[in-house]
Amino acid sequence: ETGVTQTPRHLVMGMTNKKSLKCEQHLGHNAMYWYKQSAKKPLELMFVYSLEERVENNSVPSRFSPECPNSSHLFLHLHTLQPEDSALYLCASSQDLRVYTGELFFGEGSRLTVL
Amino acid sequence: RKEVEQDPGPFNVPEGATVAFNCTYSNSASQSFFWYRQDCRKEPKLLMSVYSSGNEDGRFTAQLNRASQYISLLIRDSKLSDSATYLCVVKERTGGTSYGKLTFGQGTILTVHP
Repeated sequence: ETGVTQTPRHLVMGMTNKKSLKCEQHLGHNAMYWYKQSAKKPLELMFVYSLEERVENNSVPSRFSPECPNSSHLFLHLHTLQPEDSALYLCASSQDLRVYTGELFFGEGSRLTVL
Repeated sequence: RKEVEQDPGPFNVPEGATVAFNCTYSNSASQSFFWYRQDCRKEPKLLMSVYSSGNEDGRFTAQLNRASQYISLLIRDSKLSDSATYLCVVKERTGGTSYGKLTFGQGTILTVHP
């Protein structure tokens, strides 16, 4: 059982829908991340939160809106997406923001398809 | 130039073979280096850190050449279970406003066959 849980695992949505991805970490970590993984591309960092404060927004379009209500939960709200947004969205956590060990703990991802 | 560049492969090798993956990075100020492994339809997981003097973990050997900005991973005596995508990861230096972001390469696909 993974220490980082993502729901839903699969999501199909139309371009006008509003949906949310949820991430929960059970590891007592202080930093949480959203990554996008597309075929044949490196993982793209989207957002970083440390102690519920956003520390990075990596030039992500406003149709993606993150929310971190506490250090254990992270959401990604989706609105008016485009077909090119179809990808695997991975949530990760780390003990702290500086990740001295280099270890991020990833969830299994939410596979998003935008029609 | 990509920040972290890997040969995407795929590498197809028989069991027992030795295989090596290469990675180059563009930021000479990068601080730390890692290899992650991602199994098919699974999440990435840390495989090992890469130290300046080189380091081994069982059948896996990682090497770093800071002058050439080059990292490698050698797998000896390949097993079927080694089949996965291997991701090179570079951590930027912490300090000032930098928190030490991790940047991932696109990964190298390895398939080990009987």
